[in-house]
Amino acid sequence: GDSVTQMEGPVTLSEEAFLTINCTYTATGYPSLFWYVQYPGEGLQLLLKATKADDKGSNKGFEATYRKETTSFHLEKGSVQVSDSAVYFCALKVYNQGGKLIFGQGTELSVKP
Amino acid sequence: KAGVTQTPRYLIKTRGQQVTLSCSPISGHRSVSWYQQTPGQGLQFLFEYFSETQRNKGNFPGRFSGRQFSNSRSEMNVSTLELGDSALYLCASSAGTEDEKLFFGSGTQLSVL
Repeated sequence: GDSVTQMEGPVTLSEEAFLTINCTYTATGYPSLFWYVQYPGEGLQLLLKATKADDKGSNKGFEATYRKETTSFHLEKGSVQVSDSAVYFCALKVYNQGGKLIFGQGTELSVKP
Repeated sequence: KAGVTQTPRYLIKTRGQQVTLSCSPISGHRSVSWYQQTPGQGLQFLFEYFSETQRNKGNFPGRFSGRQFSNSRSEMNVSTLELGDSALYLCASSAGTEDEKLFFGSGTQLSVL
């Protein structure tokens, strides 16, 4: 079945360090791919998305490129801030599945000043 | 524009009881999806309602049910509660079309004792 695998956390970085969170997927057909972020005590917020191969999603300095050949959608940021501390979820949506998202396990990021 | 509102924020129940959770979507949104979030299983899709009809369903037992009203507000019900039902229950709303983003509420934290 369809699934998403993320690198395990927690990930601890110093401020201004480079961030990569790996995400790979298995899906029938051509899914849309997403990164969501969850701050403590809150719901999920969409960070970025890509709907087809080679698309690059970007937002707030975060980027991810839809790589069909490696079935990956790795999240990157060049210089993290303390305010980026949160849990990050990679997710996919198969076409015509409405509001059904399949999530990875989440990666907790902690950024130290 | 008000966001997705979930009530109550916290609930404590005992095994065998039943519980009803409520979700008010963003005005104009016709789709409401429900997710269960636990430390062990992560985020799992429960079901989606669109225009008062269940459009999609995850892999949960029949004790989990839902409905949607004509104003798009949705409720989910869990009967005969088990300890393993303790979780954060998130709902998400969208316009319901293929590429519309999901907006998540802050969730209801259910504890079953």
